[in-house]
Amino acid sequence: GAVVSQHPSWVICKSGTSVKIECRSLDFQATTMFWYRQFPKQSLMLMATSNEGSKATYEQGVEKDKFLINHASLTLSTLTVTSAHPEDSSFYICSAHSTRSSYEQYFGPGTRLTVT
Amino acid sequence: AQTVTQSQPEMSVQEAETVTLSCTYDTSESDYYLFWYKQPPSRQMILVIRQEAYKQQNATENRFSVNFQKAAKSFSLKISDSQLGDAAMYFCAYRSTYSGAGSYQLTFGKGTKLSVIP
Repeated sequence: GAVVSQHPSWVICKSGTSVKIECRSLDFQATTMFWYRQFPKQSLMLMATSNEGSKATYEQGVEKDKFLINHASLTLSTLTVTSAHPEDSSFYICSAHSTRSSYEQYFGPGTRLTVT
Repeated sequence: AQTVTQSQPEMSVQEAETVTLSCTYDTSESDYYLFWYKQPPSRQMILVIRQEAYKQQNATENRFSVNFQKAAKSFSLKISDSQLGDAAMYFCAYRSTYSGAGSYQLTFGKGTKLSVIP
């Protein structure tokens, strides 16, 4: 089956620093990847849609300059949280749409970000 | 815009019994996909079952089946012979078949936390 990895799985950083989260599709090409944020006991909130070779499309209310998304290849998208603050602490999940399937998204295992 | 509503924040079921999770949605589209995802404590999202709106037959996957009522815009999940491993958050999701900009996006409900009682 299709596998999506995320790295790191857990990261702790100091307030004011930046942290990069990688999302990779391991055995398929993904023209479109999605980044979600999930607070405890809540649903997934779509942050942005990332298309290979083009600028990401951000959802309303998501700060583009704080959450930098790059989709440089068909297997890799990155989310960089710039100048992180404690309120950015959350669980971040990526998913990838496979060019082999018309309907399915494959989810990564998520990254827990803690900003101290 | 499409919306997905899960009206049961929490549900519980005795092991080996059957439980039904509810989901309603709102859309003006005639063709779309509906999904149920499971998120166990590991937080890995797992696809449980999908339904294509143009198919009248309800989808089934082993112990999991859906009751898809297109006119009522209802998409409930039935779990038969519940097992301890079924305990998780369950999210209902909608996806348009539209293939233009913004396509492939999933719209999620707020989720239902299912507990399985031994």
